[in-house]
Amino acid sequence: EAQVTQNPRYLITVTGKKLTVTCSQNMNHEYMSWYRQDPGLGLRQIYYSMNVEVTDKGDVPEGYKVSRKEKRNFPLILESPSPNQTSLYFCASSLSSGGSEQFFGPGTRLTVL
Amino acid sequence: GESVGLHLPTLSVQEGDNSIINCAYSNSASDYFIWYKQESGKGPQFIIDIRSNMDKRQGQRVTVLLNKTVKHLSLQIAATQPGDSAVYFCAPKGGNNQGGKLIFGQGTELSVKP
Repeated sequence: EAQVTQNPRYLITVTGKKLTVTCSQNMNHEYMSWYRQDPGLGLRQIYYSMNVEVTDKGDVPEGYKVSRKEKRNFPLILESPSPNQTSLYFCASSLSSGGSEQFFGPGTRLTVL
Repeated sequence: GESVGLHLPTLSVQEGDNSIINCAYSNSASDYFIWYKQESGKGPQFIIDIRSNMDKRQGQRVTVLLNKTVKHLSLQIAATQPGDSAVYFCAPKGGNNQGGKLIFGQGTELSVKP
């Protein structure tokens, strides 16, 4: 089944404790992206990747890192999480950048205390 | 920067009626548009897309209309069902200086009354 998977689905952590949210897709998509979703603000792009080893900042990249060592994986790294990073995170992938449907993962709800 | 707006944050319709959800976008260079549906606790799900060389596209019970002159999109859902209750987002493709990403509006929450 074609899908985007994220882990963990739920995470409660404390300020400053490094964490990684994994994202994997099995559709051989070139383009992958991370979004955060907050009430009243909609979906905002954090980082995106056009292909392996090619990443770029989205609208709200501060406090986040990403890597794209393999085509299928696009982990989101929070080196020192802060409470303002409490949010619902979605990973998405598509064949190309923007000109085709983006498939979304199920989401990761992160709470930083 | 680019923006996407929706005319109504919430829409309530009776089961069986038709629903119309509207969306305005700002970038006249946008050439691809997607409508997504997001149910509670889930990720956004693709409904239908349209390219700028079309002004109408139909799917199963859904129709998207594109008016490039006024930079407006609408999603029409025929015979709305309780399972259609969700938040709907329109997502135009951003400009080339943004890596061609999709720009998401805040969404319209559709409630279907039985």
